[in-house]
Amino acid sequence: EIVMTQSPLSLPVTPGESASISCRSSQSLLHNNGHTYLGWYLQKPGQSPQLLIYLGSNRASGVPDRFSASESGTDFTLKISKVEAEDVGVYYCMQGLQAPYSFGQGTKLEIK
Amino acid sequence: EVQLVESGGGLVKPGGSLRLSCAVSGFTFSTNNMNWVRQAPGKGLEWVSFISLGSDTVYADSVKGRFTISRDNAKNSVYLQMNSLTVEDTAVYYCARDAWNYWDWGQGTLVVVSS
Repeated sequence: EIVMTQSPLSLPVTPGESASISCRSSQSLLHNNGHTYLGWYLQKPGQSPQLLIYLGSNRASGVPDRFSASESGTDFTLKISKVEAEDVGVYYCMQGLQAPYSFGQGTKLEIK
Repeated sequence: EVQLVESGGGLVKPGGSLRLSCAVSGFTFSTNNMNWVRQAPGKGLEWVSFISLGSDTVYADSVKGRFTISRDNAKNSVYLQMNSLTVEDTAVYYCARDAWNYWDWGQGTLVVVSS
């Protein structure tokens, strides 16, 4: 079973500033097809999760380019430049490599 | 447009049963693996169960032996039969499509287990 560990769990940010969320997997998420099965999802208040990033670093359609992601082995980072009020919610990393699938604990981004 | 619509949630007593349904549209259902994920009030996301396009199944340890996932490709639907429910099963249950590189999510259905 793959364990996903996220930090920080709470992230107060001033509008216009940048924010960074880290996620670590307990084992490689690299499939033998060459893709890394790590996704980032944002759950806005009262809504279901929505896709931000897929396959480690690919921005989903319609996601602002303020959002970017990177990976280094089993360490993954989501960066948000120039945070806006609409970015508030809980951010989750998720491994989609193999069942049982797993999520990070979630990072709650709030505006200062 | 991909749509996943869950139904079947509600209030049930401890020890009771409930069957959740998820009706999908906007994609070829028979070619996708499907999952159920739940979220207890104020908590994070917890993966519950998986069913492959070939109907192989996997369960989280927390529900193994109590929950059963199934699919009906003719009805474009996936189901979650939940038996021996406990208060710890109280959550919003989401149906999620594995689109191979990412997941699509429904809006969820609330299950409350309480006496």
